[in-house]
Amino acid sequence: QKEVEQDPGPLSVPEGAIVSLNCTYSNSAFQYFMWYRQYSRKGPELLMYTYSSGNKEDGRFTAQVDKSSKYISLFIRDSQPSDSATYLCAMSSPSSNTGKLIFGQGTTLQVKP
Amino acid sequence: EPEVTQTPSHQVTQMGQEVILRCVPISNHLYFYWYRQILGQKVEFLVSFYNNEISEKSEIFDDQFSVERPDGSNFTLKIRSTKLEDSAMYFCASSGTGAFGEQFFGPGTRLTVL
Repeated sequence: QKEVEQDPGPLSVPEGAIVSLNCTYSNSAFQYFMWYRQYSRKGPELLMYTYSSGNKEDGRFTAQVDKSSKYISLFIRDSQPSDSATYLCAMSSPSSNTGKLIFGQGTTLQVKP
Repeated sequence: EPEVTQTPSHQVTQMGQEVILRCVPISNHLYFYWYRQILGQKVEFLVSFYNNEISEKSEIFDDQFSVERPDGSNFTLKIRSTKLEDSAMYFCASSGTGAFGEQFFGPGTRLTVL
């Protein structure tokens, strides 16, 4: 079983839609959870950072962590064509001592005008 | 806004040659990382660096790889004898709020080994 699983998509939605992106993981030691946005051939851009379980909101973005289910989500409200990118989930465990990130495969999102 | 920078943006080399990829982390950050992403694959951890030494390395990071912080601003990744399978995007990242803080990535160096 892969440590972090993420549906690669592609996911296509109309402008204005609510987008739900998800990752599952197998390592219950993960405590730190991140979502990055990556445009083609560019570096990952940090969108959301959360620790342990719960929700975090930042503008149109909401990150949710459900540690009991080993499941994290990113919601994008009022999606825009500029949101078209690949979204990467990443997580780390205190047991590594270094904060190394384990990434999902990434989900490609296309928002159509 | 402070950002991580990387040079060159694209490096083409012949198999067996040495390459050095350069990164300037965000000023006052103390934790540094290299990751790579082979085309169409996941971003993979290579190495973490703190307090002038490697704190963790992955299985990928074998004897052909080395990292260095030669001065107070640069962080380099050296590949001594490149292989075809080293072709990938290489990303540098830094964190200033501890090992488990937010990691900020650079734009990457695309390495092509011929």
